[in-house]
Amino acid sequence: SQTIHQWPATLVQPVGSPLSLECTVEGTSNPNLYWYRQAAGRGLQLLFYSVGIGQISSEVPQNLSASRPQDRQFILSSKKLLLSDSGFYLCAWSVTGTADEKLFFGSGTQLSVL
Amino acid sequence: QQPVQSPQAVILREGEDAVINCSSSKALYSVHWYRQKHGEAPVFLMILLKGGEQKGHEKISASFNEKKQQSSLYLTASQLSYSGTYFCGTGGVSYNTDKLIFGTGTRLQVFP
Repeated sequence: SQTIHQWPATLVQPVGSPLSLECTVEGTSNPNLYWYRQAAGRGLQLLFYSVGIGQISSEVPQNLSASRPQDRQFILSSKKLLLSDSGFYLCAWSVTGTADEKLFFGSGTQLSVL
Repeated sequence: QQPVQSPQAVILREGEDAVINCSSSKALYSVHWYRQKHGEAPVFLMILLKGGEQKGHEKISASFNEKKQQSSLYLTASQLSYSGTYFCGTGGVSYNTDKLIFGTGTRLQVFP
């Protein structure tokens, strides 16, 4: 069966520090991978998605970047965190990128930038 | 454009019913519904793909009115476990070209 791992679960970082969040998927090949951010009391905002190794699309201009060094690994990074980067970050995957496929979400990372 | 969900919050007693609506300003191909408990990952409930299609899971069902560009989630005889925030996600044929966009959520609280 397929599983998705996301870590760390919580993170407190000072403004200006770097960030690296990691997500891995097991039990499937060539998944579509997504990073979402959820600000407090807000909906899910799509940040990045990837259809394959090295293929990253960005949805919104921001202080973050994403990379997919391996088929089932998706990394969210920042060189210098801003206060506005605080939020709940969710990694997700789908078998394909079609609308009849559900998204499987990781357990999330609560990031607080102070 | 982000779909609009209404109401923003609902408080129920166990056994009561609720309806959550999701409206979009653009034509829809698909509507997803997810439920999220506080601090946890969203959990998939159902996908609706055709206009007028209705789906159900136990006492939770949904309809999709393609013409009106909206979907409704029906929670019947609510249980304590139904508490959480419900999100609709609206999208086109492909996530990669016509992204799945989530609404701001409806917070549902069920009390004994």
